[in-house]
Amino acid sequence: AQSVAQPEDQVNVAEGNPLTVKCTYSVSGNPYLFWYVQYPNRGLQFLLKYITGDNLVKGSYGFEAEFNKSQTSFHLKKPSALVSDSALYFCAVRDMTGTASKLTFGTGTRLQVTL
Amino acid sequence: GAGVSQTPSNKVTEKGKYVELRCDPISGHTALYWYRQSLGQGPEFLIYFQGTGAADDSGLPNDRFFAVRPEGSVSTLKIQRTERGDSAVYLCASSRGQAHNEQFFGPGTRLTVL
Repeated sequence: AQSVAQPEDQVNVAEGNPLTVKCTYSVSGNPYLFWYVQYPNRGLQFLLKYITGDNLVKGSYGFEAEFNKSQTSFHLKKPSALVSDSALYFCAVRDMTGTASKLTFGTGTRLQVTL
Repeated sequence: GAGVSQTPSNKVTEKGKYVELRCDPISGHTALYWYRQSLGQGPEFLIYFQGTGAADDSGLPNDRFFAVRPEGSVSTLKIQRTERGDSAVYLCASSRGQAHNEQFFGPGTRLTVL
Protein backbone atom coordinates (compact mmCIF):
# COMPACT_ATOMS: atom_id res chain seq x y z
CA ALA A 1 0.00 0.00 0.00
CA GLN A 2 1.14 3.52 -0.69
CA SER A 3 0.61 6.52 1.58
CA VAL A 4 1.49 10.18 1.96
CA ALA A 5 1.85 12.26 5.09
CA GLN A 6 1.66 16.03 5.22
CA PRO A 7 2.41 16.75 8.88
CA GLU A 8 1.36 20.40 8.88
CA ASP A 9 -2.27 21.42 8.48
CA GLN A 10 -1.20 25.02 7.91
CA VAL A 11 2.00 26.90 7.16
CA ASN A 12 2.21 30.65 7.73
CA VAL A 13 4.90 32.75 6.09
CA ALA A 14 5.49 36.42 5.39
CA GLU A 15 5.67 37.59 1.80
CA GLY A 16 9.24 37.59 0.54
CA ASN A 17 10.35 34.85 2.93
CA PRO A 18 11.20 31.33 1.84
CA LEU A 19 8.57 28.66 2.31
CA THR A 20 8.63 24.91 2.81
CA VAL A 21 5.67 22.56 2.76
CA LYS A 22 6.57 19.10 4.03
CA CYS A 23 5.67 15.72 2.55
CA THR A 24 6.79 12.19 3.34
CA TYR A 25 5.70 9.09 1.51
CA SER A 26 5.59 5.31 1.69
CA VAL A 27 5.55 2.95 -1.31
CA SER A 28 6.67 -0.60 -1.87
CA GLY A 29 8.84 0.25 -4.84
CA ASN A 30 10.27 3.41 -6.34
CA PRO A 31 7.93 6.39 -6.33
CA TYR A 32 6.58 8.90 -8.73
CA LEU A 33 5.85 12.04 -6.68
CA PHE A 34 3.63 15.00 -7.47
CA TRP A 35 2.59 18.33 -5.99
CA TYR A 36 -0.75 19.94 -6.75
CA VAL A 37 -2.26 23.25 -5.66
CA GLN A 38 -5.95 23.94 -5.08
CA TYR A 39 -7.41 27.42 -5.04
CA PRO A 40 -10.89 28.04 -3.57
CA ASN A 41 -13.70 26.64 -5.70
CA ARG A 42 -11.26 25.42 -8.32
CA GLY A 43 -9.82 22.10 -9.30
CA LEU A 44 -6.38 20.77 -8.54
CA GLN A 45 -3.58 22.28 -10.60
CA PHE A 46 -0.37 20.38 -11.29
CA LEU A 47 2.79 22.08 -9.97
CA LEU A 48 5.64 19.63 -10.46
CA LYS A 49 6.68 15.99 -10.39
CA TYR A 50 9.62 13.74 -9.65
CA ILE A 51 10.14 10.75 -11.92
CA THR A 52 13.84 10.00 -11.87
CA GLY A 53 17.17 11.77 -12.15
CA ASP A 54 17.97 15.09 -10.50
CA ASN A 55 16.64 15.19 -6.96
CA LEU A 56 15.76 18.89 -7.25
CA VAL A 57 12.71 19.38 -9.42
CA LYS A 58 11.56 22.77 -10.67
CA GLY A 59 7.94 23.50 -11.46
CA SER A 60 5.36 26.18 -12.08
CA TYR A 61 5.21 29.61 -10.41
CA GLY A 62 8.76 29.39 -9.05
CA PHE A 63 8.12 26.31 -6.92
CA GLU A 64 10.62 23.51 -6.56
CA ALA A 65 10.79 20.28 -4.61
CA GLU A 66 13.59 18.11 -3.34
CA PHE A 67 13.38 14.33 -3.46
CA ASN A 68 15.21 12.61 -0.61
CA LYS A 69 15.12 8.84 -0.91
CA SER A 70 16.76 8.08 2.43
CA GLN A 71 14.25 10.25 4.28
CA THR A 72 11.36 9.31 1.96
CA SER A 73 10.52 12.99 1.64
CA PHE A 74 9.51 15.35 -1.15
CA HIS A 75 9.26 18.80 0.41
CA LEU A 76 7.90 21.71 -1.63
CA LYS A 77 9.89 24.93 -1.53
CA LYS A 78 9.92 28.45 -2.87
CA PRO A 79 12.69 30.99 -2.25
CA SER A 80 10.38 34.01 -1.93
CA ALA A 81 6.67 33.62 -1.11
CA LEU A 82 3.92 35.75 -2.63
CA VAL A 83 0.51 36.53 -1.15
CA SER A 84 -0.96 34.96 -4.28
CA ASP A 85 0.65 31.62 -3.30
CA SER A 86 -1.90 31.28 -0.51
CA ALA A 87 -3.81 28.09 -1.28
CA LEU A 88 -4.16 24.42 -0.35
CA TYR A 89 -1.25 22.21 -1.39
CA PHE A 90 -1.41 18.45 -1.89
CA CYS A 91 1.42 15.97 -2.21
CA ALA A 92 0.68 12.72 -4.04
CA VAL A 93 2.52 9.48 -4.75
CA ARG A 94 2.23 6.69 -7.24
CA ASP A 95 4.10 3.39 -7.07
CA MET A 96 6.31 2.96 -10.12
CA THR A 97 5.86 -0.82 -10.14
CA GLY A 98 2.85 -2.81 -11.17
CA THR A 99 -0.05 -1.65 -13.26
CA ALA A 100 -1.96 0.45 -10.75
CA SER A 101 -1.94 4.07 -11.78
CA LYS A 102 -3.94 5.75 -9.05
CA LEU A 103 -2.53 8.67 -7.10
CA THR A 104 -2.59 8.60 -3.31
CA PHE A 105 -2.87 12.08 -1.84
CA GLY A 106 -1.98 13.56 1.50
CA THR A 107 -4.52 15.48 3.53
CA GLY A 108 -3.24 18.82 2.30
CA THR A 109 -1.42 21.79 3.81
CA ARG A 110 -2.92 25.25 3.78
CA LEU A 111 -0.33 27.88 2.95
CA GLN A 112 -1.07 31.37 4.23
CA VAL A 113 1.22 34.14 3.00
CA THR A 114 0.77 37.53 4.65
CA LEU A 115 2.13 40.98 3.91
CA GLY B 1 -6.58 23.82 -25.36
CA ALA B 2 -9.64 22.81 -23.41
CA GLY B 3 -9.12 21.23 -20.03
CA VAL B 4 -11.13 18.58 -18.25
CA SER B 5 -14.75 19.58 -17.87
CA GLN B 6 -17.34 18.22 -15.46
CA THR B 7 -21.09 18.63 -15.35
CA PRO B 8 -23.03 19.60 -13.40
CA SER B 9 -20.89 21.83 -11.20
CA ASN B 10 -23.36 21.40 -8.37
CA LYS B 11 -25.94 18.70 -7.74
CA VAL B 12 -28.41 18.63 -4.89
CA THR B 13 -30.48 15.50 -4.49
CA GLU B 14 -32.57 13.72 -1.91
CA LYS B 15 -31.56 10.60 -0.06
CA GLY B 16 -32.39 7.51 -2.07
CA LYS B 17 -32.29 9.18 -5.49
CA TYR B 18 -30.08 8.25 -8.44
CA VAL B 19 -27.47 10.67 -9.82
CA GLU B 20 -25.14 10.79 -12.79
CA LEU B 21 -21.99 12.89 -12.94
CA ARG B 22 -20.29 13.52 -16.27
CA CYS B 23 -16.64 14.03 -17.16
CA ASP B 24 -15.17 15.20 -20.46
CA PRO B 25 -11.41 14.52 -20.47
CA ILE B 26 -8.73 16.31 -22.41
CA SER B 27 -8.80 15.18 -26.03
CA GLY B 28 -6.36 12.36 -26.68
CA HIS B 29 -5.93 11.37 -23.06
CA THR B 30 -6.39 7.61 -22.78
CA ALA B 31 -6.50 7.44 -18.99
CA LEU B 32 -9.38 8.79 -16.92
CA TYR B 33 -9.74 8.83 -13.16
CA TRP B 34 -12.48 9.56 -10.65
CA TYR B 35 -11.69 10.77 -7.15
CA ARG B 36 -13.84 11.91 -4.25
CA GLN B 37 -12.84 14.76 -1.96
CA SER B 38 -14.53 15.31 1.37
CA LEU B 39 -14.15 18.52 3.35
CA GLY B 40 -10.69 18.83 4.84
CA GLN B 41 -9.36 15.76 3.08
CA GLY B 42 -7.27 15.00 0.06
CA PRO B 43 -8.83 13.39 -2.99
CA GLU B 44 -9.52 9.67 -2.60
CA PHE B 45 -9.28 7.36 -5.59
CA LEU B 46 -12.45 5.74 -6.87
CA ILE B 47 -11.82 4.24 -10.31
CA TYR B 48 -9.37 4.38 -13.22
CA PHE B 49 -10.07 3.76 -16.91
CA GLN B 50 -7.52 2.98 -19.57
CA GLY B 51 -9.47 3.40 -22.78
CA THR B 52 -12.95 1.95 -22.40
CA GLY B 53 -12.18 -0.53 -19.65
CA ALA B 54 -11.96 -0.03 -15.93
CA ALA B 55 -8.37 -0.94 -15.11
CA ASP B 56 -8.79 -0.45 -11.37
CA ASP B 57 -12.10 0.01 -9.53
CA SER B 58 -10.76 -0.82 -6.11
CA GLY B 59 -11.71 2.59 -4.71
CA LEU B 60 -15.44 2.33 -5.32
CA PRO B 61 -16.93 2.22 -1.82
CA ASN B 62 -19.78 -0.20 -2.57
CA ASP B 63 -21.99 -1.53 -5.34
CA ARG B 64 -24.13 1.63 -5.38
CA PHE B 65 -21.29 3.29 -7.28
CA PHE B 66 -20.64 2.50 -10.93
CA ALA B 67 -18.79 4.25 -13.75
CA VAL B 68 -18.65 3.81 -17.50
CA ARG B 69 -16.59 5.10 -20.39
CA PRO B 70 -18.21 3.42 -23.40
CA GLU B 71 -16.28 5.13 -26.21
CA GLY B 72 -13.02 5.78 -24.41
CA SER B 73 -13.65 9.49 -23.98
CA VAL B 74 -16.54 10.83 -21.87
CA SER B 75 -17.16 9.07 -18.59
CA THR B 76 -20.19 8.96 -16.33
CA LEU B 77 -20.11 8.19 -12.63
CA LYS B 78 -23.41 6.76 -11.45
CA ILE B 79 -24.59 6.61 -7.87
CA GLN B 80 -27.70 4.66 -6.92
CA ARG B 81 -29.78 5.09 -3.77
CA THR B 82 -27.74 8.07 -2.64
CA GLU B 83 -26.95 8.49 1.05
CA ARG B 84 -26.03 11.60 3.01
CA GLY B 85 -22.52 10.22 3.38
CA ASP B 86 -22.08 10.42 -0.38
CA SER B 87 -21.99 14.21 -0.15
CA ALA B 88 -18.58 15.35 -1.39
CA VAL B 89 -16.82 16.91 -4.36
CA TYR B 90 -16.32 14.38 -7.13
CA LEU B 91 -13.22 15.08 -9.19
CA CYS B 92 -12.36 13.74 -12.60
CA ALA B 93 -8.85 13.70 -14.03
CA SER B 94 -7.26 12.58 -17.26
CA SER B 95 -3.73 11.84 -18.41
CA ARG B 96 -1.77 10.41 -21.30
CA GLY B 97 -1.86 7.05 -19.56
CA GLN B 98 1.73 6.36 -18.65
CA ALA B 99 2.49 6.04 -14.96
CA HIS B 100 4.82 9.03 -14.95
CA ASN B 101 2.33 11.35 -16.67
CA GLU B 102 0.68 13.94 -14.49
CA GLN B 103 -3.07 13.95 -14.15
CA PHE B 104 -5.08 17.02 -15.12
CA PHE B 105 -8.11 17.65 -12.96
CA GLY B 106 -11.50 19.10 -13.71
CA PRO B 107 -13.23 21.63 -11.45
CA GLY B 108 -15.32 18.93 -9.78
CA THR B 109 -18.99 18.31 -9.12
CA ARG B 110 -20.19 19.19 -5.64
CA LEU B 111 -22.81 16.60 -4.67
CA THR B 112 -25.10 17.32 -1.75
CA VAL B 113 -27.47 14.63 -0.56
CA LEU B 114 -30.22 15.96 1.68
